[in-house]
Amino acid sequence: DAKTTQPPSMDCAEGRAANLPCNHSTISGNEYVYWYRQIHSQGPQYIIHGLKNNETNEMASLIITEDRKSSTLILPHATLRDTAVYYCIVNGNTGTASKLTFGTGTRLQVTL
Amino acid sequence: DAGVIQSPRHEVTEMGQEVTLRCKPISGHNSLFWYRQTMMRGLELLIYFNNNVPIDDSGMPEDRFSAKMPNASFSTLKIQPSEPRDSAVYFCASSLEDTRLNGYTFGSGTRLTVV
Repeated sequence: DAKTTQPPSMDCAEGRAANLPCNHSTISGNEYVYWYRQIHSQGPQYIIHGLKNNETNEMASLIITEDRKSSTLILPHATLRDTAVYYCIVNGNTGTASKLTFGTGTRLQVTL
Repeated sequence: DAGVIQSPRHEVTEMGQEVTLRCKPISGHNSLFWYRQTMMRGLELLIYFNNNVPIDDSGMPEDRFSAKMPNASFSTLKIQPSEPRDSAVYFCASSLEDTRLNGYTFGSGTRLTVV
């Protein structure tokens, strides 16, 4: 699976958009980009995933560059409850469950 | 659905004792994963099952660790004998087989302390 690079930490003011970048320059054609987050003391939570096209759900938007070498997770209106560690994971899924390898992620601190 | 259910939430045991962690996946999910999280090593995948069959146990640290999935609704992770370095939070997660459709759902974890 392709490796990912994320900044170790970021700050965001409450109510503003949080844009979390992820580099995955060695991604291959069949690999998906997944985002999870982990709020302190809880299990990781799935946010969103995508292959090529931009994706949006009730939690966030995922923007993948045309060359697929990087992506950005956007939380449109961050709240204090969005303070968490955010993990970007790239995984080649062949239709059967395959393991997700978590890196160190980005620690997002949302402040008043 | 109640989500992925893990028990116990906290476990404190003495070195050398056997520890059994339990997990009930989401009904209908046919893949199950056991992860361990420590400050030093982060989240590590220990083992995962597909349709109750172990697929990859390369993350199991040593023979003291074993995992079973006797049926689609239950899995255990056993440590025998336990050591202080096994202290960690252990997470169980489940998913549909095709994770292109959705992601993993994690349980709340079991915090294990071996003294």
